[in-house]
Amino acid sequence: SSELTQDPAVSVALGQTVRITCQGDSLRSFYVSWYQQKPGQAPILVFFGKNNRPSGIPDRFSGSSSGNTASLTITGAQAEDEADYYCNSRDNNGNHWLFGGGTKLTVL
Amino acid sequence: QVQLQESGPGLVKPSETLYLSCAVSGGSISTYYWTWIRQPPGKGLEWIGYIYYSGSTNYNPSLRSRVTISVDTSKNQFSLRLSSVTAADTAVYYCARASVTIADRIWYSYMDVWGKGTTVTVSS
Repeated sequence: SSELTQDPAVSVALGQTVRITCQGDSLRSFYVSWYQQKPGQAPILVFFGKNNRPSGIPDRFSGSSSGNTASLTITGAQAEDEADYYCNSRDNNGNHWLFGGGTKLTVL
Repeated sequence: QVQLQESGPGLVKPSETLYLSCAVSGGSISTYYWTWIRQPPGKGLEWIGYIYYSGSTNYNPSLRSRVTISVDTSKNQFSLRLSSVTAADTAVYYCARASVTIADRIWYSYMDVWGKGTTVTVSS
C-alpha cells in the first residue's frame, strides 16, 4: 500500500476549479512536489514546496498543505489540463522518496 | 537548458542485469541529485533511487538489494544497474534531475528536468 494516497480519478467542468489531494503522515513534516503526465509523455513538474511554480507553468496551478494533506488546485481548468497528476514526497520514515498512486483528471 | 537522455537495451532476458545510462547535456552533473524513476505499463510512477553528484546514494527499499546507481562526472552521465530482472521490471525508465531544499524548516525535494524515458521489456 502507498504511504501517499491520492484519489484515483477526479473530474471537473471546463473553466471550473478542481482540487487534487495527496494524503500521508509524512506530509506533516515534508512538502510535496506535483507532476503532470499526459499519455505517452514524461512527467513535468507543475508545483513544489511551500509555494513554488516552475517557469512556464500557468498561474492557475497552485498548491497548499495542511496537516497530513497536500493539495494541488487548478483554478479555471482547461482542456489541456486533462492528465494524470502525481505527488511526491518522503516515506513515513523520511528516508526515502515516494510517489502517490496518481490521480487521473478528466476535464468535462 | 539542461537536457537528459536515457539510453540502453530495450529488451533484457529474465534473470539478467539491466544497464541504463542518462547523459546530461547543457549543464554540469555537479550538484543536484540524479534520479531514476520507472513506470510499468498502465501503472503509476515508482521512485527507484538517486545519486548525489558526490557519490552518496539512496534507494527504494523494495529494490535496494538489486539496484546500483553510479555517476561518471568525466562523462557527465549517471547510470542504473538492476540485477536479476523479471517481467515485473518491464517499464518505461526515466532519469531526472532533482533538488533538495528547505523552507520554514521543512525539507522538500523536486524533480525539475526529466528525460523522455526509455522502454525496457523483460522477456526471453
